Amino acid sequence: QKEVEQDPGPLSVPEGAIVSLNCTYSNSAFQYFMWYRQYSRKGPELLMYTYSSGNKEDGRFTAQVDKSSKYISLFIRDSQPSDSATYLCAIPPPGGSEKLVFGKGTKLTVNP
Amino acid sequence: NAGVMQNPRHLVRRRGQEARLRCSPMKGHSHVYWYRQLPEEGLKFMVYLQKENIIDESGMPKERFSAEFPKEGPSILRIQQVVRGDSAAYFCASSPMALGEQYFGPGTRLTVT
Repeated sequence: QKEVEQDPGPLSVPEGAIVSLNCTYSNSAFQYFMWYRQYSRKGPELLMYTYSSGNKEDGRFTAQVDKSSKYISLFIRDSQPSDSATYLCAIPPPGGSEKLVFGKGTKLTVNP
Repeated sequence: NAGVMQNPRHLVRRRGQEARLRCSPMKGHSHVYWYRQLPEEGLKFMVYLQKENIIDESGMPKERFSAEFPKEGPSILRIQQVVRGDSAAYFCASSPMALGEQYFGPGTRLTVT
């Protein structure tokens, strides 16, 4: 079983839709969870960073962590064409490791 | 404050040649990370360096690949005797501190013909 699994999509939604992006992970010791956004031919940029179970909101973005199910989600409200990108979940292994373990990424297209 | 810079942005090498990828971290950042993104794959960690030290190279292939981050100048990822399977996007990230947020560069796309 891979450490981090993410449905690669692609996912296509109309403008204004609520988007749900998800990852599952295998190691219950994971504590920190991140979401990166990567536009085509660009480097990833950090969107959200969460530590505990529950929700964290930042504008139109909400990150949710369910440690009991080992499931993390990113919700995008009122999606815009500018949100079209690949979204990657990333988890640093426990024990203070610097390396991030990434999901494969979900390619999202928001149609005007 | 300029972001993480990588050059070249695109690099074409024939099989057997050497590839040198350069990364200049953000100003004030002394921690550098290299990741590789193969087609249809996620980003994979390769190596973590601080100035003049390799801290974690657990993701580096055992042969042909090396990395350095000298006291002066950019970090260099070096691939000797490239093969077609080395074709990928190579991303560098930097951080101001251990376990800090990693800021990514635009990547170098290596094509081996």
